[in-house]
Amino acid sequence: GENVEQHPSTLSVQEGDSAVIKCTYSDSASNYFPWYKQELGKGPQLIIDIRSNVGEKKDQRIAVTLNKTAKHFSLHITETQPEDSAVYFCAATAGGSYIPTFGRGTSLIVHP
Amino acid sequence: DTGVSQDPRHKITKRGQNVTFRCDPISEHNRLYWYRQTLGQGPEFLTYFQNEAQLEKSRLLSDRFSAERPKGSFSTLEIQRTEQGDSAMYLCASSRAGGRNEQFFGPGTRLTVL
Repeated sequence: GENVEQHPSTLSVQEGDSAVIKCTYSDSASNYFPWYKQELGKGPQLIIDIRSNVGEKKDQRIAVTLNKTAKHFSLHITETQPEDSAVYFCAATAGGSYIPTFGRGTSLIVHP
Repeated sequence: DTGVSQDPRHKITKRGQNVTFRCDPISEHNRLYWYRQTLGQGPEFLTYFQNEAQLEKSRLLSDRFSAERPKGSFSTLEIQRTEQGDSAMYLCASSRAGGRNEQFFGPGTRLTVL
């Protein structure tokens, strides 16, 4: 089955800095890669996603890049703000499946 | 509120008791998923439904776990004879058939087994 590794487990940045979270996946058939943000006591919230036919996608301060050959994808947050502090999860879904495999999460702390 | 809702938000029970959780998906979504999340981990898939059909249940954690979606709308997850290791957050998500399979999560039910 699919295996998703996520790094780092904790990321601490100053407000205004950029943050990068990296994930690798094992199943070359995976073709859908969502990213979720989870705040304390809440369920995960989808913030951006990318399909395997696209190399990069951007939405305001967040962007995701995908390298199919290397089987890794990354989340980039620019101009971080304290409200960006949360746990971020990457996931990979194999083609024909509706079941994502999640990484273990990255706790992002943005210091004012 | 048109998001996914879950009830209860918190449940404390004694070992050996049965518990049941409810999930109401977004109304036009025909797929519904259950996940378990333990501290420091990502959501772990348990089972999913398309309409009232349970299409994947081999990843339910044991035969003490069961789920239903009798009319293709809300769903229930039942855990029988709870154990302390069942303590976790139980998340429900829903999605529309086709497209990106974008899943929307509910707030979760936090289960504590004493």
